[in-house]
Amino acid sequence: TAGITQAPTSQILAAGRSMTLRCTQDMRHNAMYWYRQDLGLGLRLIHYSNTAGTTGKGEVPDGYSVSRANTDDFPLTLASAVPSQTSVYFCASSVDSTSNTEAFFGQGTRLTVV
Amino acid sequence: GEDVEQSLFLSVREGDSSVINCTYTDSSSTYLYWYKQEPGAGLQLLTYIFSNMDMKQDQRLTVLLNKKDKHLSLRIADTQTGDSAIYFCAESTMGSARQLTFGSGTQLTVLP
Repeated sequence: TAGITQAPTSQILAAGRSMTLRCTQDMRHNAMYWYRQDLGLGLRLIHYSNTAGTTGKGEVPDGYSVSRANTDDFPLTLASAVPSQTSVYFCASSVDSTSNTEAFFGQGTRLTVV
Repeated sequence: GEDVEQSLFLSVREGDSSVINCTYTDSSSTYLYWYKQEPGAGLQLLTYIFSNMDMKQDQRLTVLLNKKDKHLSLRIADTQTGDSAIYFCAESTMGSARQLTFGSGTQLTVLP
């Protein structure tokens, strides 16, 4: 079982360029999330989606957008990258977003904005 | 807002016990979690404890919760080299993954 897959694994991106980080899950989970991981700060929620067709802002949404056209995919787009967006990005999913269900994480995308 | 704090580094000898500590500020935290992140991988849920419990044991893992002091610890007995990883403490008021607040993570290094 693949679980949750992110692509690419790593990327170097010029400042000002746009990029979409891909995330796909095959567990038919309703809820999906994007986090960024920065040294000394743990994981911070960027955006989330409770179910297909809906999205919401997390703790640090500025500079990012998401869409949830179907259950399986939850892409994260940086419209115009800045160096402060250099981070490791994790996608996660859970059965739903309202109860104590385990969140499953992808392997991460390491993004460097130069 | 909520805050979860952990020390950044811990080193132990193989075979010894490891104790990773965490403090949190939100008194309404309902669920407290420990996640493990191995190099190059995502986070994996190790265990969680509900706020009305004092202790939870699962094989080599023991979680202790002092709700009065808002202190959570993870003890790993007979620590092995495969336990080397980053361990994240997290809390949630509603048990929802959308509402997880993570600590900064503790890098555990197991020395031979």
